[in-house]
Amino acid sequence: GAVVSQHPSWVICKSGTSVKIECRSLDFQATTMFWYRQFPKQSLMLMATSNEGSKATYEQGVEKDKFLINHASLTLSTLTVTSAHPEDSSFYICSARRTRETGELFFGEGSRLTVL
Amino acid sequence: AQSVSQHNHHVILSEAASLELGCNYSYGGTVNLFWYVQYPGQHLQLLLKYFSGDPLVKGIKGFEAEFIKSKFSFNLRKPSVQWSDTAEYFCAVNAGGYNKLIFGAGTRLAVHP
Repeated sequence: GAVVSQHPSWVICKSGTSVKIECRSLDFQATTMFWYRQFPKQSLMLMATSNEGSKATYEQGVEKDKFLINHASLTLSTLTVTSAHPEDSSFYICSARRTRETGELFFGEGSRLTVL
Repeated sequence: AQSVSQHNHHVILSEAASLELGCNYSYGGTVNLFWYVQYPGQHLQLLLKYFSGDPLVKGIKGFEAEFIKSKFSFNLRKPSVQWSDTAEYFCAVNAGGYNKLIFGAGTRLAVHP
């Protein structure tokens, strides 16, 4: 099956610093990647859709200047949480679509961010 | 706006009991439907999916789901659960023309030996 890998899986940072999370599709090319945020005991909330070579499309209520997304290649998308604050602490999950037709997504392991 | 509703937030069953998890969505057009599972400490995995054709879909590990268009439902079933089915289950919908999946709130299933 298709494999999506995230790094780091766990990160702690000080308030005010920026953190970058990488999402890689290891054995397929992903024209579209999605970034989700999962709060404790809640579902996945879509943050943004990232298309290779173009600007990300953010969901309503998600600050694009706060959560910078770059999809520079067909196998890599990055999410940078800028000037992180404790309320940004969460579990961030990326997913990738292999083909447009199936709609099936493959998920990374997730990255837990804790902002002190 | 699209939405996905999962009726059961927590389900506790004994091994060999039958399982049915409800999922309803709000969208009147063509949809693709999915059930994902997240085992403790692991990432989301696809259980099964429906795009078209037979509304009764068979997935992995003995799971199945039935798409009932008139009820906007896609309930997940398993005739006999095992302890290893303990996980969180998410229903998701990809509505026609929308390039994204919308997830339900999830159902936590605990199976006791």
